[in-house]
Amino acid sequence: QQQVKQSPQSLIVQKGGISIINCAYENTAFDYFPWYQQFPGKGPALLIAIRPDVSEKKEGRFTISFNKSAKQFSLHIMDSQPGDSATYFCAAGGGQFYFGTGTSLTVIP
Amino acid sequence: EADIYQTPRYLVIGTGKKITLECSQTMGHDKMYWYQQDPGMELHLIHYSYGVNSTEKGDLSSESTVSRIRTEHFPLTLESARPSHTSQYLCASSGGLADNEQFFGPGTRLTVL
Repeated sequence: QQQVKQSPQSLIVQKGGISIINCAYENTAFDYFPWYQQFPGKGPALLIAIRPDVSEKKEGRFTISFNKSAKQFSLHIMDSQPGDSATYFCAAGGGQFYFGTGTSLTVIP
Repeated sequence: EADIYQTPRYLVIGTGKKITLECSQTMGHDKMYWYQQDPGMELHLIHYSYGVNSTEKGDLSSESTVSRIRTEHFPLTLESARPSHTSQYLCASSGGLADNEQFFGPGTRLTVL
């Protein structure tokens, strides 16, 4: 059973637009929810993370929204830029993590 | 930039060969991990270690083995490579106050012919 489901698989956004990626998880014991950004030829890098005791966390143009009752969390990228074009992975867990299948984001100039 | 290194970056070998993928980190992290990543698929944990002489298998069954003799070094070995082992292998580490934050290496792309 897939522990973390991520959508969409791919996303195309105009420069300046808002990119939204969604994830849902199964295990209510998970207590840490990171998002990773991966560029071609590189390993994933931590972008932003949230714990279930808060409903939103913002860092610059990146915001995580967290809905504990629905077991869902999402990444919002405001004012999307071409440099944001990458693959984004959500993850959930604590100690050991389960990853989503990734979203390929393309920001068109 | 995270100080975690993987070698080789790319490897093409024939079936039946023994290979070792190297992973080293200079951050003094206790925890290290190996993930397998295929296109369009989630990262799958295949091995992890919480310290020297401690290794465990992850959720994804793998024919590979690992060792953790030194804190900074976590090599992965395939005794007899097969085409089904073709994949991207990512090494990661975590530790200290930000224990949940995993730092990833650049990966090794393995192709077995």
